[in-house]
Amino acid sequence: EDKVVQSPLSLVVHEGDTVTLNCSYEVTNFRSLLWYKQEKKAPTFLFMLTSSGIEKKSGRLSSILDKKELFSILNITATQTGDSAIYLCAVAPTSGTYKYIFGTGTRLKVLA
Amino acid sequence: EAGVVQSPRYKIIEKKQPVAFWCNPISGHNTLYWYRQNLGQGPELLIRYENEEAVDDSQLPKDRFSAERLKGVDSTLKIQPAELGDSAVYLCASSLDSEAGELFFGEGSRLTVL
Repeated sequence: EDKVVQSPLSLVVHEGDTVTLNCSYEVTNFRSLLWYKQEKKAPTFLFMLTSSGIEKKSGRLSSILDKKELFSILNITATQTGDSAIYLCAVAPTSGTYKYIFGTGTRLKVLA
Repeated sequence: EAGVVQSPRYKIIEKKQPVAFWCNPISGHNTLYWYRQNLGQGPELLIRYENEEAVDDSQLPKDRFSAERLKGVDSTLKIQPAELGDSAVYLCASSLDSEAGELFFGEGSRLTVL
């Protein structure tokens, strides 16, 4: 059965800290991995990763994929209170459909 | 550019009542998804449309859930009758097509069944 596991489930840090969120997966014929940020509204897209070892970066956020070990990490440096959200990881297998499988998310709270 | 629009944002009903959610995807997006997100969980796919065709509805509880996407644009998701366990956020998402990587989500419809 295809699955996506995120860790930790929740995390509390102080402003300025650096955090690393993990996403491991077991899917048939991996196609892509996506990271989303979900506050109280719609999940918003952060990154899509398809190739191993290539870092995607946007401001203080960065992500990398390891297709051999079947995981991805999302790093946030110099965290701010506005980074408080649920971070979702989703994986798209190429098993005939494009059914994105989501993890349960990591709930991040950044304290001032 | 307008994003994915969903309504209503919130709905409270008693069990056994019907409820319907509406979604208007981003203009030009052929693929439309309905997801259900329970508290503390990630979104789970209910149904995926390619234009007006439902191409993956294996996760849709067909005894009480139904969906349609007439003319391949707007979509409605209906629950009849609702049960307590249906309380969740129902998210609609769209993408240019099923080859595209990024899903664009609406703000969701939060259903509470009493």
